[in-house]
Amino acid sequence: AQKVTQAQTEISVVEKEDVTLDCVYETRDTTYYLFWYKQPPSGELVFLIRRNSFDEQNEISGRYSWNFQKSTSSFNFTITASQVVDSAVYFCALSSNTGGFKTIFGAGTRLFVKA
Amino acid sequence: GAGVSQTPSNKVTEKGKYVELRCDPISGHTALYWYRQSLGQGPEFLIYFQGTGAADDSGLPNDRFFAVRPEGSVSTLKIQRTERGDSAVYLCAPGAGVGLRWVADTQYFGPGTRLTVL
Repeated sequence: AQKVTQAQTEISVVEKEDVTLDCVYETRDTTYYLFWYKQPPSGELVFLIRRNSFDEQNEISGRYSWNFQKSTSSFNFTITASQVVDSAVYFCALSSNTGGFKTIFGAGTRLFVKA
Repeated sequence: GAGVSQTPSNKVTEKGKYVELRCDPISGHTALYWYRQSLGQGPEFLIYFQGTGAADDSGLPNDRFFAVRPEGSVSTLKIQRTERGDSAVYLCAPGAGVGLRWVADTQYFGPGTRLTVL
């Protein structure tokens, strides 16, 4: 079975702090894809990143960075110098060929960034 | 979401009524996925289409839910005898489909339909 666990339900930080959102996944597939989505208060799901299981290179995009470690089945997301606009619910997700590429989502982490 | 429209954006109905939710993927993706997001939870898979056929409907909660995609583009999710527990945001997303490379394709979601059953 495939599963995504986001152990942190809510995180609260002060603006300019760095924050890391944890994601642990389970799958028996060797080929799979991992995602992060942002859901601001407006409600739409905003795609942030997709990584495939063969590429463990960490990625940085502006203030965002992702740490993919197959050895620990983790795909953590760090926001550097957080801003109030980063306040949202963040979802980690997994899909693979075995599941017909349907996406399995974690329960989400609600991030509050206070000014 | 890029290339996906969903109508209506909001739907309020009474318990026991029938509703239809529409997803219109602007680009020609072969696959289309439906998800449901209940309050405070992550989206959950309902069904996905490969072309006109439902390739996997294992996520539909019961036989009150049904979806079609007759021409391989627009899809309609139908809910009969709605219950209060059906209240949620229903999301759809186009996809490349099984067997195709995902190098250039990423799953974007539509804006969703917020269904409220009173």
